Order: sequence, then structure tokens, then C-alpha cells
Amino acid sequence: DGGITQSPKYLFRKEGQNVTLSCEQNLNHDAMYWYRQDPGQGLRLIYYSQIVNDFQKGDIAEGYSVSREKKESFPLTVTSAQKNPTAFYLCASSTVTYPTNDEQFFGPGTRLTVL
Amino acid sequence: SQKIEQNSEALNIQEGKTATLTCNYTNYSPAYLQWYRQDPGRGPVFLLLIRENEKEKRKERLKVTFDTTLKQSLFHITASQPADSATYLCALAGSSNTGKLIFGQGTTLQVKP
Repeated sequence: DGGITQSPKYLFRKEGQNVTLSCEQNLNHDAMYWYRQDPGQGLRLIYYSQIVNDFQKGDIAEGYSVSREKKESFPLTVTSAQKNPTAFYLCASSTVTYPTNDEQFFGPGTRLTVL
Repeated sequence: SQKIEQNSEALNIQEGKTATLTCNYTNYSPAYLQWYRQDPGRGPVFLLLIRENEKEKRKERLKVTFDTTLKQSLFHITASQPADSATYLCALAGSSNTGKLIFGQGTTLQVKP
């Protein structure tokens, strides 16, 4: 059963702590993405990766870090430097072909709450 | 700066009517545009993609238009059903093959029986 999974579904963190969100896909997609969604707002890109061992900052990368050691996995670390981390985090993957890219497949999301 | 705008107010329509959602953009020349559906607390699901050289795309009860002169896309759901109630997001991409998308804030559609 192919798809993209995120864990955990809900995560609570104390201020000053780092936390890592998991994202795994078995779709054999080259590209993976992390988005943040706040209430009533669209998705904002945090980081993306086109290929293993390479990733680029998105529009709101400050306070976040990622790694792409395996094609299937793209974990996101929310560091204590992120000022307002409470949000809904979405991971996505896609094939990357020229001249148009295929659609993005999204995971179920992780809701992070800072206490 | 690049900007995408969708109707922030919820759209309420009666079952069986056609729902029309709008996506406007400025300072941008997207190579293509995508529409996604998002249910509360879940990830978006892809619906349709339309390229800059296409005027219209259809899929079952869905229709998307793309006017690069007006910098606008319209998303239509014909014969709407209560199950169509959700938030619909438009997303624009550039011509480079980075796969990056810029999302609008979404429009919530409520179809009443």
C-alpha cells in the first residue's frame, strides 16, 4: 500500500526543546517537501529536497532543520530558535519531471503544540 | 512580491448548484496551476493541473480555467453535493523543475442539502 506517512499525529513540546517530526514515503518519489499551515492560512514552504543528500530552504526556514539521508525519509526538526512553532505540519512528495511537475502527495500531518 | 489570493470568505451554496471558486495572482508568471482539496485536520489531496497554454481542463464534475491575461483561475464544481464541502486550495508553480508550489490561503465551500 503506497503512500506517505507522518508521525506522530499530535505532538506536545515544552518551550526551549527541540522536536523531530517524521516523514516517510514509499512512492519512490525524488522530491520531498515540508509545509507549515496556520489556521485560516495556506501552506508555507519550510524546506524541500529534490534528491538524496541535498535540500534547499523554503520561504520560512528559520528555526527549522532537515536531513535527506535516504530517498524515503525527510525528517524535520523544529528547534528552540523557532519563535512560534505551534502549527499543523505537512509533508509531501512528488516526482520531478521537466517541463511540468506531477502533483504533490501529502501526508496526514502532525499537529505540534508548544506548551 | 508574488501574491496569490483566494476568496477568504466561505462560499455557501445549495446542493445541485454550481460552485465557482476564484484564484487570482500578481507579480507571477506560473507555468502551471494546481487545485487541491483539503478536509479539516487532513493533508490536501490533488484534484487538477492546468498548464499555461491550456484554457480549460475537466475531470468528471470539476472544471478549471486558466486566464494568463487576467492572471486568474476559476474552479467549478457542477451539480454540487454536501460531500463536496471542504477547503479548496490553488497552487502555482514556476517553469523551473524544482517542484516548488506557492499556495493560496484556500476557500471553504459549504454545500447545503
